[in-house]
Amino acid sequence: TQLLEQSPQFLSIQEGENLTVYCNSSSVFSSLQWYRQEPGEGPVLLVTVVTGGEVKKLKRLTFQFGDARKDSSLHITAAQPGDTGLYLCATPRRAGGTSYGKLTFGQGTILTVHP
Amino acid sequence: NAGVTQTPKFRILKIGQSMTLQCAQDMNHNYMYWYRQDPGMGLKLIYYSVGAGITDKGEVPNGYNVSRSTTEDFPLRLELAAPSQTSVYFCASRPTAGTGIYEQYFGPGTRLTVT
Repeated sequence: TQLLEQSPQFLSIQEGENLTVYCNSSSVFSSLQWYRQEPGEGPVLLVTVVTGGEVKKLKRLTFQFGDARKDSSLHITAAQPGDTGLYLCATPRRAGGTSYGKLTFGQGTILTVHP
Repeated sequence: NAGVTQTPKFRILKIGQSMTLQCAQDMNHNYMYWYRQDPGMGLKLIYYSVGAGITDKGEVPNGYNVSRSTTEDFPLRLELAAPSQTSVYFCASRPTAGTGIYEQYFGPGTRLTVT
């Protein structure tokens, strides 16, 4: 099973600051997803990256997929209190044969943005 | 569109009791999943199903059972509850491969405490 390491585990910042969250693996990702989970809710997909070197933007969020497809980052510009939540990266599990859509998740980064 | 629904939202069990966590989706998704989420541990797959009548174990199946008699419903059964099963449980679903790259849709979760 591919292991995903996310860093940092916790991040507490003031409104308006920028931040970056990382997701790394020793193995190559077939694809990588970023989810955001708000308190008391289930995770919601933000983006899927597939191609090495890919950059995707979602308003103030910028997602990068490493050229070697072993790492990814999420950068938030001018963070707002509404960005507070748990950010999870996930990749398809491929333990021989079809994955049936199963995902392996990182342990997550808890982001708190203070007004 | 209700998406993925879970009941109950909260539950407290005594050691040795049993219960069923309900999950339903109205998106006609064939693939469904049960995860548990412990603090700082991301999401761990308990069981999954690729269609009515077909289920299989995930990473952490011990102490749980599932059934899938219809496309819509995927209940999770806890027999002889133990304190180690205190967690937040999420149900998720996704379309069969070909309609998206492993995006999963999550329910709001069930917070279970075993004392």
